Amino acid sequence: DQQVKQNSPSLSVQEGRISILNCDYTNSMFDYFLWYKKYPAEGPTFLISISSIKDKNEDGRFTVFLNKSAKHLSLHIVPSQPGDSAVYFCAASPPYNNNDMRFGAGTRLTVKP
Amino acid sequence: EAQVTQNPRYLITVTGKKLTVTCSQNMNHEYMSWYRQDPGLGLRQIYYSMNVEVTDKGDVPEGYKVSRKEKRNFPLILESPSPNQTSLYFCASSARWDENTEAFFGQGTRLTVV
Repeated sequence: DQQVKQNSPSLSVQEGRISILNCDYTNSMFDYFLWYKKYPAEGPTFLISISSIKDKNEDGRFTVFLNKSAKHLSLHIVPSQPGDSAVYFCAASPPYNNNDMRFGAGTRLTVKP
Repeated sequence: EAQVTQNPRYLITVTGKKLTVTCSQNMNHEYMSWYRQDPGLGLRQIYYSMNVEVTDKGDVPEGYKVSRKEKRNFPLILESPSPNQTSLYFCASSARWDENTEAFFGQGTRLTVV
């Protein structure tokens, strides 16, 4: 039973446009959410996070939005660059409990020049 | 440089031949964990360790063992590997199990069991 779902296995966008990656979760105990980026032959690296007390967090070109009532979060990349091409994983955990962190299946983003 | 180091990066082995994948971190992190990544399933936790000598099962522990004798090392042991353990494995560490903080991942070990 996947508690974190990324329903789009892949996404392709043009350079300079916006990329929107979506993530849904089912466990109402989840309180802390993260996005990781993974390049081929490398481990995932942390990108951005958000806790449930906020509905938006920005870091440069990356913004994460959280809709708790819908149990949905999204990652916006604006403007998209070819170097953003990677697999993006969404992760969620209950408050202060990494033991119960769960990951989505990932979305492969391709940014075309 | 802060890092998590896994070895080997690639491994092909035969069914039943015991193997160990090593993991070491240099950040003095208390919390370490092992994941496997399979297509369509994302990262699934195998085992985790909240501190030295404290380990517990994750979601998919069958066929695996771990140990945490030192804070920096967290090896993954497959006593009798089977083909369904063919996967991409990641070790990760974070400061503490009870903090909302990001994890640092190793570069991965691609294991093939024939």
